Amino acid sequence: AQKITQTQPGMFVQEKEAVTLDCTYDTSDPSYGLFWYKQPSSGEMIFLIYQGSYDQQNATEGRYSLNFQKARKSANLVISASQLGDSAMYFCAMREDTGNQFYFGTGTSLTVIP
Amino acid sequence: EAQVTQNPRYLITVTGKKLTVTCSQNMNHEYMSWYRQDPGLGLRQIYYSMNVEVTDKGDVPEGYKVSRKEKRNFPLILESPSPNQTSLYFCASSLYPPTYNEQFFGPGTRLTVL
Repeated sequence: AQKITQTQPGMFVQEKEAVTLDCTYDTSDPSYGLFWYKQPSSGEMIFLIYQGSYDQQNATEGRYSLNFQKARKSANLVISASQLGDSAMYFCAMREDTGNQFYFGTGTSLTVIP
Repeated sequence: EAQVTQNPRYLITVTGKKLTVTCSQNMNHEYMSWYRQDPGLGLRQIYYSMNVEVTDKGDVPEGYKVSRKEKRNFPLILESPSPNQTSLYFCASSLYPPTYNEQFFGPGTRLTVL
């Protein structure tokens, strides 16, 4: 079974609107970390936001927030007030405390329309 | 400046010719890792290292070797490259434990094996 599933290969959003990028994960480890990374067309990987499995509150970093629903095993990224510079690939990732490996999803390509 | 560096950035080689991709970080991170990125597959972990002289296989280790003799360096070795190893390779590092700390990525190495 896939550890990380991103079901939206491509998404479009109007500039200044909010957008949600979906991520579901599969683990039986009670302790894990969830990460979102952005990859612009230039290719570098940029860390956006982190959520720990024991965190009570949803993580937020500026315009980025993580909608963490532990029982549903989902960790959706919400980008508010989209900007043209948000056009990029977005990857969800997970690391289990007992497993040592990192697992990445296949990514979602976001295009912001002016 | 805190960074992860990789060399070379681009490499075209032929089947069977041994090559090494270097990775170095200046943040005194314990955890280092190699990933390959292929279209539609996201990032897949090749090898990782929890500290000096401690390395382990990720999801796709076949055809690769690594070593961690110094904390700052984590080279990726392809003893006999094959065309299916044509890919974009990323090195990353983080503080320990990696479950709770963001990974910093290098700029990537685009490898073509003919």
